Amino acid sequence: DQQVKQNSPSLSVQEGRISILNCDYTNSMFDYFLWYKKYPAEGPTFLISISSIKDKNEDGRFTVFLNKSAKHLSLHIVPSQPGDSAVYFCAASAAEYGNKLVFGAGTILRVKS
Amino acid sequence: DSGVTQTPKHLITATGQRVTLRCSPRSGDLSVYWYQQSLDQGLQFLIQYYNGEERAKGNILERFSAQQFPDLHSELNLSSLELGDSALYFCASSVIGSGPQHFGDGTRLSIL
Repeated sequence: DQQVKQNSPSLSVQEGRISILNCDYTNSMFDYFLWYKKYPAEGPTFLISISSIKDKNEDGRFTVFLNKSAKHLSLHIVPSQPGDSAVYFCAASAAEYGNKLVFGAGTILRVKS
Repeated sequence: DSGVTQTPKHLITATGQRVTLRCSPRSGDLSVYWYQQSLDQGLQFLIQYYNGEERAKGNILERFSAQQFPDLHSELNLSSLELGDSALYFCASSVIGSGPQHFGDGTRLSIL
């Protein structure tokens, strides 16, 4: 049962343009959502998070949007840089479940220069 | 550098053996989480400890066990290893039982 889905296995974007990564979830108990970036041979690196009481959170070039009614969140990266090329994981947690993270399968982002 | 340290980075062993993976959380973090990443399953939660006590359990096999010590470091013990246990094992930590988790670089376990 995939409770967190990232339906796009990969995304290719030109340097300087916007990257939009999408994530859908099915469990309405999730109350905290996170995005992680992962390079090969490294662990996931925390990027940005959002609580279910908000619909937007911004940190520099990264903005996360949450649409609770659609059970959908997205990560916007503006402007995209070649160093952003990595695997991006969406994750969700619920206080009810002890805050364990449930991860999506990941999206490979390639930023072309 | 996330501040979470995992050792060893690589481990190669045979079926039926037992191994111990070690994790030191970020300074000040009380909660430790273990995850398994395999090719077909993605990142899966195994178990969480908070200040020495087990807080939550995921799809952790009975052959696997973990503990968190008074100095807050944690160990994941895997026994009677099978070929299917080959995976990346990540440790993460957070200040309390909520908020963002910060991951180590993982231990790659290969079972021959």
